Amino acid sequence: DAMVIQNPRYQVTQFGKPVTLSCSQTLNHNVMYWYQQKSSQAPKLLFHYYDKDFNNEADTPDNFQSRRPNTSFCFLDIRSPGLGDAAMYLCATSGLVKGNEQFFGPGTRLTVL
Amino acid sequence: DQQVKQNSPSLSVQEGRISILNCDYTNSMFDYFLWYKKYPAEGPTFLISISSIKDKNEDGRFTVFLNKSAKHLSLHIVPSQPGDSAVYFCAASAQTGFQKLVFGTGTRLLVSP
Repeated sequence: DAMVIQNPRYQVTQFGKPVTLSCSQTLNHNVMYWYQQKSSQAPKLLFHYYDKDFNNEADTPDNFQSRRPNTSFCFLDIRSPGLGDAAMYLCATSGLVKGNEQFFGPGTRLTVL
Repeated sequence: DQQVKQNSPSLSVQEGRISILNCDYTNSMFDYFLWYKKYPAEGPTFLISISSIKDKNEDGRFTVFLNKSAKHLSLHIVPSQPGDSAVYFCAASAQTGFQKLVFGTGTRLLVSP
């Protein structure tokens, strides 16, 4: 089945220790997104890629970066995680047609000790 | 500033009855609205959508109603089933924001047998 895969599902890191979260897709979608969702809050868009074109949200901290080496893979790098970065990180993909829904992965829950 | 609001954090209904989930928005530029359903330990999955040129869209047991003048939409589930128990997120996108979704905080629906 075509899908969005996120690894790992659970990630524990130490305060200030860089961490990378991974997302892959078999849907061959042009657009990939990273969202942060904290408990009882709305998913918040961090950035998205339109093919290789990177689009950062204005309020996304500099601590968060992303890489998309090819259509299938996208990575979220957190350079120096703080306690406030503990959250669920959701990857999503969509096609180019306006109105196409986004397909989400299961998420990676990040814990910062 | 929360542009998409789901003011009811939770809703309980009995199996077979109607579930009505509500969503309000403030940005008049939003022209496309979606509902996502999320089970624990899974990513959100697309449920149903509606364009601003319509006021109703139906898909099986699910119907979404849009009232543009009130900036309000609702999701009706009839009849409700225990398997519908999940968190439901309302999301909206604007003409100028390519596929950018703004999410509400979600409503947890519990359908009891």
